[in-house]
Amino acid sequence: GAVVSQHPSRVICKSGTSVKIECRSLDFQATTMFWYRQFPKQSLMLMATSNEGSKATYEQGVEKDKFLINHASLTLSTLTVTSAHPEDSSFYICSAPASTDTGELFFGEGSRLTVL
Amino acid sequence: AQSVSQHNHHVILSEAASLELGCNYSYGGTVNLFWYVQYPGQHLQLLLKYFSGDPLVKGIKGFEAEFIKSKFSFNLRKPSVQWSDTAEYFCAVKSWGGGNKLTFGTGTQLKVEL
Repeated sequence: GAVVSQHPSRVICKSGTSVKIECRSLDFQATTMFWYRQFPKQSLMLMATSNEGSKATYEQGVEKDKFLINHASLTLSTLTVTSAHPEDSSFYICSAPASTDTGELFFGEGSRLTVL
Repeated sequence: AQSVSQHNHHVILSEAASLELGCNYSYGGTVNLFWYVQYPGQHLQLLLKYFSGDPLVKGIKGFEAEFIKSKFSFNLRKPSVQWSDTAEYFCAVKSWGGGNKLTFGTGTQLKVEL
């Protein structure tokens, strides 16, 4: 069964509003989680690394003020897309390490964001 | 910067046909290599992985992949595909010292016809 759960799976919002996506690790603790973004017919692009109890680490080109990440507990990381615009419409996927430093990840189901 | 190339974006096969999906990466150092699969409506899941040792690795559902260091390749193979193998397949690479960061290829959409 799934070990990483993401919610909501689909969300539609109006331009200018904020949307929060939750990512939970089930039955295990994750001090680190990763947020990816996937455009149609393109690869998964790492947006940021979420660190429990500290600031997230953002990849180059990702606006940290637009994509707010909070990792307040060992089982929950949230991604908030602030003041969303149509160009933020995408598929957002979270993941958690299956083991330390191997690169093997458990993935959430993904969240399809559509901004009107 | 590290990159991963998947040469086939869309593949259509008949059941029982053999499959080979190409994956090449650009990083010259030690790497961990992965193939992930995403079945329709489901989350990404691990198909197989290579960390070290025998360069021919076997995964779930009859899939295997071969790491050829000299070619920077990690091609995925299956001798006889089934309709249930219809999915999107992603190759991913982790460079040594990169924590758990993965670089993904663009994915290959496989459709298996009855």
